[in-house]
Amino acid sequence: AQSVTQPDIHITVSEGASLELRCNYSYGATPYLFWYVQSPGQGLQLLLKYFSGDTLVQGIKGFEAEFKRSQSSFNLRKPSVHWSDAAEYFCAVGAAGTASKLTFGTGTRLQVTL
Amino acid sequence: GAVVSQHPSRVICKSGTSVKIECRSLDFQATTMFWYRQFPKKSLMLMATSNEGSKATYEQGVEKDKFLINHASLTLSTLTVTSAHPEDSSFYICSGWTSGSRHEQFFGPGTRLTVL
Repeated sequence: AQSVTQPDIHITVSEGASLELRCNYSYGATPYLFWYVQSPGQGLQLLLKYFSGDTLVQGIKGFEAEFKRSQSSFNLRKPSVHWSDAAEYFCAVGAAGTASKLTFGTGTRLQVTL
Repeated sequence: GAVVSQHPSRVICKSGTSVKIECRSLDFQATTMFWYRQFPKKSLMLMATSNEGSKATYEQGVEKDKFLINHASLTLSTLTVTSAHPEDSSFYICSGWTSGSRHEQFFGPGTRLTVL
């Protein structure tokens, strides 16, 4: 069975500082990997996704993530955080080649201090 | 991205009553819709997968007689929580998927259900 671990429940960074949110997955084959952001009162928004190819994936809002098969990781990064990035971030894994039942991590709440 | 709406955004009901939550894909046809449940400070847990015109597939541990799902059209799926109890209080989120979306699910804003 597939699973996702987000080790950090809560992270606080200063505005302008760099950010890395960790995500480790467990899946028997090549996974489809996703990062979503959830703001209060809003639905989940897709930041980026990885299916195959280049292991460094660029997303919206200046986010990027790197797929490292050897470490079973798909960490999310942003070089300079903005106050508006404060939200809940979810990593998810889906089964390749299907309509993708997604398995979500428990989320990381990002707080940005000014 | 494509837009999915949910109605109502929040609902409060008495224990023993039934509540219906609608999920609509506004600008695309969702051949598959997913229903998730999110507990406070917890992850999203998939409840069921529904394909238009067929019965929903429920995840292990989800009572299909309590959580009735209907996906009668390519733009509408409904989740009915029957005989709701306080433990059913939660945040329910739907998503829509179509073969043209390249494996991306489009999520609704969620419905907060509180059962008194």
